[in-house]
Amino acid sequence: AQTVTQSQPEMSVQEAETVTLSCTYDTSESDYYLFWYKQPPSRQMILVIRQEAYKQQNATENRFSVNFQKAAKSFSLKISDSQLGDAAMYFCAYRSAWAGSARQLTFGSGTQLTVLP
Amino acid sequence: NAGVMQNPRHLVRRRGQEARLRCSPMKGHSHVYWYRQLPEEGLKFMVYLQKENIIDESGMPKERFSAEFPKEGPSILRIQQVVRGDSAAYFCASSPGRGPDTQYFGPGTRLTVL
Repeated sequence: AQTVTQSQPEMSVQEAETVTLSCTYDTSESDYYLFWYKQPPSRQMILVIRQEAYKQQNATENRFSVNFQKAAKSFSLKISDSQLGDAAMYFCAYRSAWAGSARQLTFGSGTQLTVLP
Repeated sequence: NAGVMQNPRHLVRRRGQEARLRCSPMKGHSHVYWYRQLPEEGLKFMVYLQKENIIDESGMPKERFSAEFPKEGPSILRIQQVVRGDSAAYFCASSPGRGPDTQYFGPGTRLTVL
């Protein structure tokens, strides 16, 4: 079974600064997807970014980028120019890419990000 | 451009009552997933459905919980004879069932059992 580990329960960053959230995962599969979702105080789960394991290039979405290290099974999220609206719980998630296999997301335990003005 | 819809947003039940949670997927999405989030925890998978079929219910408790996704209408997660331990946020997600098959989440239903 796949597992996802987020070792930082809480992080804080000064507004306009950069912060990196860590995520590691364990899998025996070679093809899969990795995601970062954010959950602000409204509790809505919002997709931040997605990475396909077969792609070597790290995904980027505006101020959000990932550092995907497949051999190390590491998938960190970097938030540049942090804004107050980035304050949220961030979840890393894994999903197998094999057709017919389980399609559910496996989530980490989350990192609570505080943005300081 | 409606996203995933869930209702009710908040549901209060007394122990022993039934809870029915509804989820309407995004337009064009035929796959629905239910997740549960206990306080201070991450989301845990419960069940994966396509129209009229339960594909994977490996995360569903064996008793009192059931789910359906009929040909017409929303997906329903049903909890019979609720207990205090069922208090949680229940999230529905939908996906198109092709390509990266990214799941998009609804706003969740917060169930409180008194």
